[in-house]
Formats: sequence, C-alpha cells, structure tokens
Amino acid sequence: DTAVSQTPKYLVTQMGNDKSIKCEQNLGHDTMYWYKQDSKKFLKIMFSYNNKELIINETVPNRFSPKSPDKAHLNLHINSLELGDSAVYFCASSPAQETQYFGPGTRLLVL
Amino acid sequence: GENVEQHPSTLSVQEGDSAVIKCTYSDSASNYFPWYKQELGKGPQLIIDIRSNVGEKKDQRIAVTLNKTAKHFSLHITETQPEDSAVYFCASRGAGRRALTFGSGTRLQVQP
Repeated sequence: DTAVSQTPKYLVTQMGNDKSIKCEQNLGHDTMYWYKQDSKKFLKIMFSYNNKELIINETVPNRFSPKSPDKAHLNLHINSLELGDSAVYFCASSPAQETQYFGPGTRLLVL
Repeated sequence: GENVEQHPSTLSVQEGDSAVIKCTYSDSASNYFPWYKQELGKGPQLIIDIRSNVGEKKDQRIAVTLNKTAKHFSLHITETQPEDSAVYFCASRGAGRRALTFGSGTRLQVQP
C-alpha cells in the first residue's frame, strides 16, 4: 500500500494554463508538506498544513495555492503556469515534528 | 534561516569501499538531522536520522555521526554495493520548526 501518493505522476501543459496536483496520505499523520525540486535537485519547502491549517508559507508566488480538504489530503493549485514552474513537486507527511515521508513526486513540464 | 551545506556534490567509489558524505548547518538550535536517499524517478526515502542528544547512530552498513560543537554531521556507508548508487540528501530541522532544510545533494556512484 502506498503511504503517500500523488496524482498525476507526469503533467505536461502550456504556459498560462491552470493545473492542480493532488496528494493523499494513509498514515494518519497530522502534518503535510509541499516541496519543490528544481533541475539541479535542490529541495525546498513551499507549504505545510497541520490538521488542515496552513502553518508554513514560504516565499512562493501567490499563483500557487494549497488546499487541505481534510487531514489526509493536500492539493496544490497553480494558476497561470510559467516556464520556471517546471520542476518535480513532492508531497510529504509527518506525525507532528517527526520523520517526514515523501510521495513519488509529480513531474511538471511547462511548454 | 537555517542553511545546510553538503559535500561532495559527486562521489564515485569502488564496490566494497566506504563512502562518506558531510554536511554543516548554521542554526545551533537545530535538533533533528535525517538523511534521505533518492533513486532515479522516485521520491526521497529516509535511510537514517539522528537527534541532537545522540552523537552517533548505526543501522547495518549505514552510520551517522553528529558534532554539535562544530555543527556538522556525516553519513558513512560501508561495504558499498551498486544498489547504493543514488542521490543522498542531508537535512536539518530547527527547534520549533516543522520544515526540513535540505543540503544540495550528493550523487553517489558505486562502480562494480
């Protein structure tokens, strides 16, 4: 059983489009995260939710909007996609401040 | 904010040799230091972690050491195997923080 799952795995889209990435965890964790990994493999936190409440919002363009409908789900919506948004987006979850478990990633390519 | 530096960026070893990856952190209040392994096309997977009240931790062929005074920690892999080839990331988490700050990654290649 997949602990942290993301859909879609690949996303190819045109500049200017709006797209969403979904994440689900079945570990019963309270906290979920979105990380961005660029072409040089740098991993950087974008957002974090704890029990559906936004607790971390790093310097990210407001075209990116996370949404947590419940504790087990954290989605990421991106408006007006730009070329520089091309990256791999990872969802992760953890119980409180314990170990984080990552999903398989969503590879976004903006053309 | 926290800054984590990781060296080397690439490391090539012969099968059976040891590999060492080093990281330094800036926030003296950091108290949790995980190491992740990322294989091609996959998400980072935790391989070992250490907390600030421990100086060393070992799990089979993998060990992590922490020097709080010098603010650095290292990953040691002994008897390397080709399946150890991957990108390894160190990370740290400051006290009271939830997010991890990652190092820039080390691409380890184990030559058979």
